[in-house]
Amino acid sequence: SAVISQKPSRDICQRGTSLTIQCQVDSQVTMMFWYRQQPGQSLTLIATANQGSEATYESGFVIDKFPISRPNLTFSTLTVSNMSPEDSSIYLCSVGPGNEQFFGPGTRLTVL
Amino acid sequence: QKEVEQNSGPLSVPEGAIASLNCTYSDRGSQSFFWYRQYSGKSPELIMSIYSNGDKEDGRFTAQLNKASQYVSLLIRDSQPSDSATYLCAVNMGDSSYKLIFGSGTRLLVRP
Repeated sequence: SAVISQKPSRDICQRGTSLTIQCQVDSQVTMMFWYRQQPGQSLTLIATANQGSEATYESGFVIDKFPISRPNLTFSTLTVSNMSPEDSSIYLCSVGPGNEQFFGPGTRLTVL
Repeated sequence: QKEVEQNSGPLSVPEGAIASLNCTYSDRGSQSFFWYRQYSGKSPELIMSIYSNGDKEDGRFTAQLNKASQYVSLLIRDSQPSDSATYLCAVNMGDSSYKLIFGSGTRLLVRP
């Protein structure tokens, strides 16, 4: 399966600031997704990152808060904008050739 | 609202026993079902996928699917302390998008 990396692995940020998380895959993949895992919770899909077009967001997530880029088939970024303590979570990208999805190591974000 | 339900546990079993993890889902249109293992502080790891009614075996793991009852299970034979983790059930959204809905996870503890 593809090797997936994320940067940064963790960060501590001040409220009101923004953080951009990178997801890099070692091979071209069709599907790329961004998830959030809040403390003690399961995974919630934020959006599907579409190559060459705007991301598709799930209910409760908006582009102004979580802008996503996907310039090619191996790379995507998720920005968490105007952060508040409620944004403290693990953010994960996943990739799949189709049905099966494989996760990156995650970015642990703490907002003070 | 499409949902995936799991007992949060913890499910405690002695080493060498069979661990049985269960999952129900609400969307009858779902066609793809997955089990992920998540160790504390790590990202989810895909361990089983199942698409047809019946059993699918892979080593010590057996996934069982009953679409009529909207029920998926994972059996772990000869449980080892290294199997102690949270097991997440994931179901596709029943459309062509490959998006997954995750259950809240069942924490498994295997006692030496």
